[in-house]
Amino acid sequence: EVQLVESGGGLVQPGGSLRLSCAASGFTFSTYWMHWVRQTPGKGLVWVSRINSDESRTSYADSVKGRFTISRDNAKNTLYLQMNSLRAEDTAVYYCVRGLDPDYWGQGTLVTVSS
Amino acid sequence: DIVMTQSPLSLPVTLGQPASISCRSSQSLVHSDGNTYLNWLQQRPGQSPRRLIYKVSNRDSGVPDRFSGSGSGTDFTLKISRVEAEDVGVYYCMQGTHSQGTFGQGTKVEIK
Repeated sequence: EVQLVESGGGLVQPGGSLRLSCAASGFTFSTYWMHWVRQTPGKGLVWVSRINSDESRTSYADSVKGRFTISRDNAKNTLYLQMNSLRAEDTAVYYCVRGLDPDYWGQGTLVTVSS
Repeated sequence: DIVMTQSPLSLPVTLGQPASISCRSSQSLVHSDGNTYLNWLQQRPGQSPRRLIYKVSNRDSGVPDRFSGSGSGTDFTLKISRVEAEDVGVYYCMQGTHSQGTFGQGTKVEIK
C-alpha cells in the first residue's frame, strides 16, 4: 500500500525557517517524481515545487522561488521541503504528492506563520 | 505561468442528473513527449485530494465509470453522467506538462 506521511509542520514566526519531511513507503520511491502542494484552509490547491527521481531537475512556483528548496534522499525514501524566510501567506496545509501525474497524496502537515 | 481556468466555480446538481466542468489552459498542454498531462482531482470535505483522471481521459482504478474526461490542447472537460451523493466536493484540474504545475480554482459540486 502506498503511503506518504508528512511531518515537520508547526507554528513559526515570520522570517523563520522550517523543514518538512515526507516519508514514503509501499512503492519504489527512487523512480518517481514528487511534488509539494499547499492549501490554505478553505481555499484551493496551489502547486509549490517538484523534483525528478534523481534530483537533477527541480522547479518552483514563483511565490516560493529563492526561499524554498525541495530535495530527496532515495536511500531513506524521504522527500523534503526546506522553507526559509517564511511569510504569513505561506500558512497552509502542505501535501506531499507522488508522480508526474500526481496520483497519491499524503494527509498533509499544517504550517502556520504568525507572530 | 500557465493559468488554468475552471467553470463553473459552483455547480448545484440534482441527484441522478449529469454534470460537466470545463477547464481551459492559457497554453497548450501537449508535452514534447506527445503526452498531455492534464489531471482531474476530487477533494471531499475534510479529505486529501484524490486523482480521478490522468492524461486527459484515463480513469484511475476504483473510480466509477460515471466519471469521464475529454479534451485536447487547451480545452478539457470532466463529466459526471449521473451525480450521486458521494460526488459532493471540490473538483480541480491540474496540469503537469510545464515545469511549473498549476491547478484550476476548483469547482464546488453540491446537491440541490
